[in-house]
Amino acid sequence: GAGVSQTPSNKVTEKGKYVELRCDPISGHTALYWYRQSLGQGPEFLIYFQGTGAADDSGLPNDRFFAVRPEGSVSTLKIQRTERGDSAVYLCASSSVTSGANVLTFGAGSRLTVL
Amino acid sequence: ELKVEQNPLFLSMQEGKNYTIYCNYSTTSDRLYWYRQDPGKSLESLFVLLSNGAVKQEGRLMASLDTKARLSTLHITAAVHDLSATYFCAVDLEYGNKLVFGAGTILRVKS
Repeated sequence: GAGVSQTPSNKVTEKGKYVELRCDPISGHTALYWYRQSLGQGPEFLIYFQGTGAADDSGLPNDRFFAVRPEGSVSTLKIQRTERGDSAVYLCASSSVTSGANVLTFGAGSRLTVL
Repeated sequence: ELKVEQNPLFLSMQEGKNYTIYCNYSTTSDRLYWYRQDPGKSLESLFVLLSNGAVKQEGRLMASLDTKARLSTLHITAAVHDLSATYFCAVDLEYGNKLVFGAGTILRVKS
């Protein structure tokens, strides 16, 4: 597609529930990133894929968070047993590293609210 | 661990004035990125700075990079209301790796 697409744009859930957030990157972009942005903060890195594999998952806060990218395109961020502190905007970005620059193109984000 | 700090965190300025936003980072890198975010929107790439002394300009915004000082600046010339947004700088340590973002500078330009 023309840009990075994220669904749902808004998700309200109850504490303890399971949530999936989907990201469809720009066609041909091999790198895909998940970030989390809390109100008034900068994006916080969660995980980065190069192709199908997670190249760096050091930002995942705990084992309730998991992400997959089985065919090297669409990615799903999965959050188990959600907690109120998980409320944030989850941003997906993709990139095609060219000319030494890793310019990320971000999606509009999925706003997660855990009640 | 790479840390990226921006200041000021909030900037209120009058139209027509000049100001500079600063971005310091803790570990040697020669790749720095500036992004803009409008309220309720996602991040938009503004500048990519890839070497010491790099300078990029777009309209009323000019970004520069001093890798020795681990400092980038975003200079605003003759501000206009449309520049009101949050500006983030970001650094990556390795080619093709994750970007680490600063906390952002909220810019409000008053008429």
